Amino acid sequence: DTGVSQNPRHKITKRGQNVTFRCDPISEHNRLYWYRQTLGQGPEFLTYFQNEAQLEKSRLLSDRFSAERPKGSFSTLEIQRTEQGDSAMYLCASSLSGSSYGYTFGSGTRLTVV
Amino acid sequence: KQEVTQIPAALSVPEGENLVLNCSFTDSAIYNLQWFRQDPGKGLTSLLLIQSSQREQTSGRLNASLDKSSGRSTLYIAASQPGDSATYLCASHNAGNMLTFGGGTRLMVKP
Repeated sequence: DTGVSQNPRHKITKRGQNVTFRCDPISEHNRLYWYRQTLGQGPEFLTYFQNEAQLEKSRLLSDRFSAERPKGSFSTLEIQRTEQGDSAMYLCASSLSGSSYGYTFGSGTRLTVV
Repeated sequence: KQEVTQIPAALSVPEGENLVLNCSFTDSAIYNLQWFRQDPGKGLTSLLLIQSSQREQTSGRLNASLDKSSGRSTLYIAASQPGDSATYLCASHNAGNMLTFGGGTRLMVKP
């Protein structure tokens, strides 16, 4: 198992374009999370899946953001009509169910909106 | 709503020093607390996970403690090395299945 994998590592896009990021979690982990981190800040929760069900969404997740996890495996995060304020590091994490398990994070996707 | 604070925000020490990073949280009803390391432009690497019922965890030169009653956790790094330079983040896991992060402590260990 190679851990949590995120693609692409970097994405530069023009304002108004749509972008999509992919996350492949650790295969036996049924929980998958998306976080956003801006420069100098700690990561902030965006959304969480248990298997294929999206169980929780932060108020940070505007209607321009959509996340999916078909078949409970990989996940995609799409941002429509990107704005400069969307520039950030988007981090994906996975874990097993249960409060005793820690999270494993991927290397992140750095988005720059110009 | 859980709030997590890390002090100091930045720390610079000479190589070989022992140091303590602090993390405080407002809601003591946590499942566990996790410490992470983040190198510039990279993702998060898990260092230590302390369960709610535990008081501390150790890994090599790292020791993390948890005091739920006072809402505090500390990360102790022994005999610091230049390779320890990074940002250290603590995160609490509460009900709601999400981690709440502090702002991090940027550590610089000078040779």
